[in-house]
Amino acid sequence: AQSVTQLGSHVSVSEGALVLLRCNYSSSVPPYLFWYVQYPNQGLQLLLKYTSAATLVKGINGFEAEFKKSETSFHLTKPSAHMSDAAEYFCAVSDLYNQGGKLIFGQGTELSVKP
Amino acid sequence: EPEVTQTPSHQVTQMGQEVILRCVPISNHLYFYWYRQILGQKVEFLVSFYNNEISEKSEIFDDQFSVERPDGSNFTLKIRSTKLEDSAMYFCASRARQDREQYFGPGTRLTVT
Repeated sequence: AQSVTQLGSHVSVSEGALVLLRCNYSSSVPPYLFWYVQYPNQGLQLLLKYTSAATLVKGINGFEAEFKKSETSFHLTKPSAHMSDAAEYFCAVSDLYNQGGKLIFGQGTELSVKP
Repeated sequence: EPEVTQTPSHQVTQMGQEVILRCVPISNHLYFYWYRQILGQKVEFLVSFYNNEISEKSEIFDDQFSVERPDGSNFTLKIRSTKLEDSAMYFCASRARQDREQYFGPGTRLTVT
């Protein structure tokens, strides 16, 4: 069975500081990995995805994530936080071989950005 | 840019009533999903649908739930007899055959009183 663990339910950074949101996954088969962002009272928007190509993935809004198989991690980073980055971030995993392709989500990390 | 739409945005119903949540997936997508998010909790998979049948469902998706694609555009989730614990945000998602990326709708907030 697949699972996702996000360390830290709440992360607070200052504007301009590095953002690091942690995600570890468990999967017995090669995974697809995703980061989604949820702004207040809105749906889920894809930030970036890993689909077995390049291990360093760049997404929208300056975010990127690195797939590290040895660490079973897919941490999300952004060099310089902006106030507009304040939102809930979800890491998700999908089974490469499961054509149904359901997503298994982590608990989410709420990012706060201080001025 | 194509997007997934959902109606209504907010539904209030009494316990025991039936509700139907509606979704219009992106037009050329073939896989459809329902997820729910109880307030303050993570997003949970309910069901996936492909080729006019359920391809996978979770333990949450019991006999009280059903899905349907009544025409070429709508995808619905029905809850036959709502319970208080069904109160949640329900998200519809869709994806193309070749792409693992799922596109989510804005959600329907269901409140059961």
